[in-house]
Amino acid sequence: QQQVKQSPQSLIVQKGGISIINCAYENTAFDYFPWYQQFPGKGPALLIAIRPDVSEKKEGRFTISFNKSAKQFSLHIMDSQPGDSATYFCAASVRGPASKLTFGTGTRLQVTL
Amino acid sequence: NAGVTQTPKFQVLKTGQSMTLQCAQDMNHEYMSWYRQDPGMGLRLIHYSVGAGITDQGEVPNGYNVSRSTTEDFPLRLLSAAPSQTSVYFCASSYQRQWTFGSGTRLTVV
Repeated sequence: QQQVKQSPQSLIVQKGGISIINCAYENTAFDYFPWYQQFPGKGPALLIAIRPDVSEKKEGRFTISFNKSAKQFSLHIMDSQPGDSATYFCAASVRGPASKLTFGTGTRLQVTL
Repeated sequence: NAGVTQTPKFQVLKTGQSMTLQCAQDMNHEYMSWYRQDPGMGLRLIHYSVGAGITDQGEVPNGYNVSRSTTEDFPLRLLSAAPSQTSVYFCASSYQRQWTFGSGTRLTVV
């Protein structure tokens, strides 16, 4: 049972374009939604995170949009660069012991020249 | 400040062998966890710990044991390796819900 559904599985975007990755969740107890970036051979690294009391959070070229009623959130990468080519994971957690993360299945992003 | 350190980086085991994946963090984080990453399945939680002496099961705990005798160390033991345990394993530690991951151990069971 996949509690956090992520799409697309892979994405190819031209340099300078906008990359959009979507996630949907079922558990309404989730109250923290981070995005992780992973380069080959490395562990995931926290990119940006949002809590459900706001609808958008922006950090540089990265923006999370959050729709609480639809139980969906998305990552937008503006002005995508070849260095952004990586696998991106959305995740969600419930406040509680260890605030364990539930991950989406990942999106492999390739930014072409 | 090394963050989260995992050893070894690569390991090949024969079916039935046992081994311990090491994980150490130097950030004095209370929470630690182990995940496995498989293609198309994201990262799935194996075991986690909320402090020294306290561990609990995650989503896919079968075939794995953990212990946490110190704040710094959280080893993962494979009791009798099976091909289904071929995966990349990540250890992570957390402070205020921000998880820091190690660089992973790629395990192949033949």
